[in-house]
Amino acid sequence: SQQGEEDPQALSIQEGENATMNCSYKTSINNLQWYRQNSGRGLVHLILIRSNEREKHSGRLRVTLDTSKKSSSLLITASRAADTASYFCAMTNFGNEKLTFGTGTRLTIIP
Amino acid sequence: GAVVSQHPSRVICKSGTSVKIECRSLDFQATTMFWYRQFPKQSLMLMATSNEGSKATYEQGVEKDKFLINHASLTLSTLTVTSAHPEDSSFYICSARQFGTLSNEKLFFGSGTQLSVL
Repeated sequence: SQQGEEDPQALSIQEGENATMNCSYKTSINNLQWYRQNSGRGLVHLILIRSNEREKHSGRLRVTLDTSKKSSSLLITASRAADTASYFCAMTNFGNEKLTFGTGTRLTIIP
Repeated sequence: GAVVSQHPSRVICKSGTSVKIECRSLDFQATTMFWYRQFPKQSLMLMATSNEGSKATYEQGVEKDKFLINHASLTLSTLTVTSAHPEDSSFYICSARQFGTLSNEKLFFGSGTQLSVL
């Protein structure tokens, strides 16, 4: 079944640095989304990129999608302590409304 | 933005009891809601898809008699964990798709319920 594999599993960086996390998937997708989850909380939608798009920006977030490699990356620039959270990619397949999640990256920003 | 309220946020119960978790869309109508389960430091696993006015669709391996889902209105879905056992202890999260939106391009999530079964 489709599930994204994210790497790294955990990432610790200094405040102000950029954080990059990657998501790989197995089958063709309709769109790919990134969500953030603070510890013990629900998920917050960050950004969506469609299968015919290659890059999108939203504030300090930059998402790329390479459908030939079946991979996506999320870049958070100028990280802040408040960015500390788990980040999940999630995807939908054509003809299937289900949203399946990746394994997640736990990001820690060190003040 | 759209708000999904999930209650309770935390529940501790004795083995054998049933626990009901509510998921409400506060400022929009949700024809479809999803229930996920999440173990510590792991990803979300879809349990079932709940459609207003019809039976829920369960994922493979999820016992429908164990996890009862009711979606009686456009703003409320409930998940009842029946005869809970310690292995049911987990973080349960609901999400809702806004009526009229296409596919699952943006889901709104509840804040989750941490269930601990003693």
